[in-house]
Amino acid sequence: GQNIDQPTEMTATEGAIVQINCTYQTSGFNGLFWYQQHAGEAPTFLSYNVLDGLEEKGRFSSFLSRSKGYSYLLLKELQMKDSASYLCAPKGDSNYQLIWGAGTKLIIKP
Amino acid sequence: SAVISQKPSRDICQRGTSLTIQCQVDSQVTMMFWYRQQPGQSLTLIATANQGSEATYESGFVIDKFPISRPNLTFSTLTVSNMSPEDSSIYLCSVARSTSNYGYTFGSGTRLTVV
Repeated sequence: GQNIDQPTEMTATEGAIVQINCTYQTSGFNGLFWYQQHAGEAPTFLSYNVLDGLEEKGRFSSFLSRSKGYSYLLLKELQMKDSASYLCAPKGDSNYQLIWGAGTKLIIKP
Repeated sequence: SAVISQKPSRDICQRGTSLTIQCQVDSQVTMMFWYRQQPGQSLTLIATANQGSEATYESGFVIDKFPISRPNLTFSTLTVSNMSPEDSSIYLCSVARSTSNYGYTFGSGTRLTVV
């Protein structure tokens, strides 16, 4: 079967660093996406990993280990606007369909 | 990335009626996807809409309840038919493009409340 596992909710402090973990089991693998979704809004693209290692993009970085079925999203210098849900979404056999986790709700406190 | 205009942004509908949601993409795309998202829940794929062919529905979703049109490569509609309160949800269209590693771009969503 296909399964995505990420924490339901996390809390962090403004200015700090937070790591959101995602483990997945898919039939086949064609890359993994991270999306950000603010309450009441549509998801927006954050990052894409297809090879093992770290991809850095400004304050956000994403890591992938294909052999472990594991990814994480690292957010640095947290800002209040980073309060949102973060969705881990691998691609399995299909090159078109993403498999969506339930998302991690990140709460940033002053 | 593609720009998608989705409307209506929200609606409150009576039980038993139907609502048609429209999505217009600013460029041609092969595949469009329709999702539903209950509050606090994950995205659930309703169907994949390809131009020139019937939509492919996921388990638990049927064409009579969620008819989809895809008349060209830039436009699609999803109708929620014979609505009940259980259909209250956010409905999202999205497209996947090879230029973005087939990552998704989403419309702004339609918040539907059935009373």
